[in-house]
Amino acid sequence: EVQLVQSGPEVKKPGESLKISCEASGYRFITYWIGWVRHMPGKGLEWMGVTYPADSDTRYSPSFQGQISVSADKSINTAYLQWSSLKASDTAMYYCIVTSGYDRGWYKSWGQGTLVTVSP
Amino acid sequence: DIQMTQSPSTLSASVGDRVTITCRARHSINDWLAWYQHKPGTAPKLLIYKASSLESGVPSRFNGSGSGTEFALTINNLQPDDFATYYCQQYSSYWTFGQGTKVEIK
Repeated sequence: EVQLVQSGPEVKKPGESLKISCEASGYRFITYWIGWVRHMPGKGLEWMGVTYPADSDTRYSPSFQGQISVSADKSINTAYLQWSSLKASDTAMYYCIVTSGYDRGWYKSWGQGTLVTVSP
Repeated sequence: DIQMTQSPSTLSASVGDRVTITCRARHSINDWLAWYQHKPGTAPKLLIYKASSLESGVPSRFNGSGSGTEFALTINNLQPDDFATYYCQQYSSYWTFGQGTKVEIK
């Protein structure tokens, strides 16, 4: 069974950097794409970016290109979502997901979510 | 982006009811559609993929249908555990989600 365990909630100030993590288990880490979905309060779900740990191929939603960095460390079965300079509008719940691919792949499993709060 | 329109946004129902949630795609997505269930504070859960294929371990009272641009999720004999928010998702071209349907107790 695929399990995704995300890092804990974060409270940051605008302009600060942040890296949150997602540890995967229950499958061979390099066989699936792993990525992130944003859920803002009162809004819908938005995919942000996905990466393929076997070769580090990474795809970003146009809405998030240049704003975030998605990466994975296959030696420790962990994926990351990183910001270099947070904004108040980054306040949201972030979910880690696993998919067979960006082409015809549904989300096989989700993490429990990491709440990020950005406030002065 | 392939826009997904989901309705209703909220649905009030009782235990034992049959409820239907609909999802419409702006362009044909064949059967590249999934449904997820989400309860607050937990990980969303895959229910249906390829429009009508039931994920392993999901009760058979959940039924997905449709193809092209019109899809539906039907829950037969609604159970207390089913009160949650449901999302459709197209995966024909990357991913987009419907806005969600909250199924609440009448």
